[in-house]
Amino acid sequence: SYVLTQPPSVSVAPGKTARITCGGNNIGSKSVHWYQQKPGQAPVLVIYYDSDRPSGIPERFSGSNSGNTATLTISRVEAGDEADYYCQVWDSSSDHLVVFGGGTKLTVL
Amino acid sequence: QVQLVESGGGLVKPGGSLRLSCAASGFTFSDYYMSWIRQAPGKGLEWVSYISSSGSTIYYADSVKGRFTISRDNAKNSLYLQMNSLRAEDTAVYYCARAGLERDFDYWGQGTLVTVSS
Repeated sequence: SYVLTQPPSVSVAPGKTARITCGGNNIGSKSVHWYQQKPGQAPVLVIYYDSDRPSGIPERFSGSNSGNTATLTISRVEAGDEADYYCQVWDSSSDHLVVFGGGTKLTVL
Repeated sequence: QVQLVESGGGLVKPGGSLRLSCAASGFTFSDYYMSWIRQAPGKGLEWVSYISSSGSTIYYADSVKGRFTISRDNAKNSLYLQMNSLRAEDTAVYYCARAGLERDFDYWGQGTLVTVSS
């Protein structure tokens, strides 16, 4: 089955840029979606179709996808961005259709 | 606004059964694929099951295949998950989520906790 690999943790100072990667075999050929989850809350979609933002998501959140790596970029990081972030793809080539990455804990220093 | 409200979670013994429900509002339920996704305590997200808008197409994760059954009632704007032969490893918060056109999940419920323990 298809595997998505994320770093367990990323740390960044307020006002700086955070980059969270999601690795997968030829992931550039798939649509990648990103979710933010704060403690005790349900996940929230922050990026879909590699780089599109749902309404209400700040422009500080952006995404890219090429080759074997997709990246979620958060510019001008704020304390409120501290959360777990998950990438997700649809893998039509297998029975395990929906695949999530293991998640990345973003810590704002 | 879009709302998804899960119910039916609780404590159940290994081997037991439970039926989860998800009440949808704020959108045309019958137009959307829906899914159940779970999260074990302190762990990441795990997809469980997926159902097409009409209910004619259904998928399951290998970990629940043969034990769980997803269904929907479009007249009642409701999604269900019948869980049988429950195991300790099924302990998790279960979320229902609406699937977008890109196979993303654009709205999630608040989740319902299922605990499987003797």
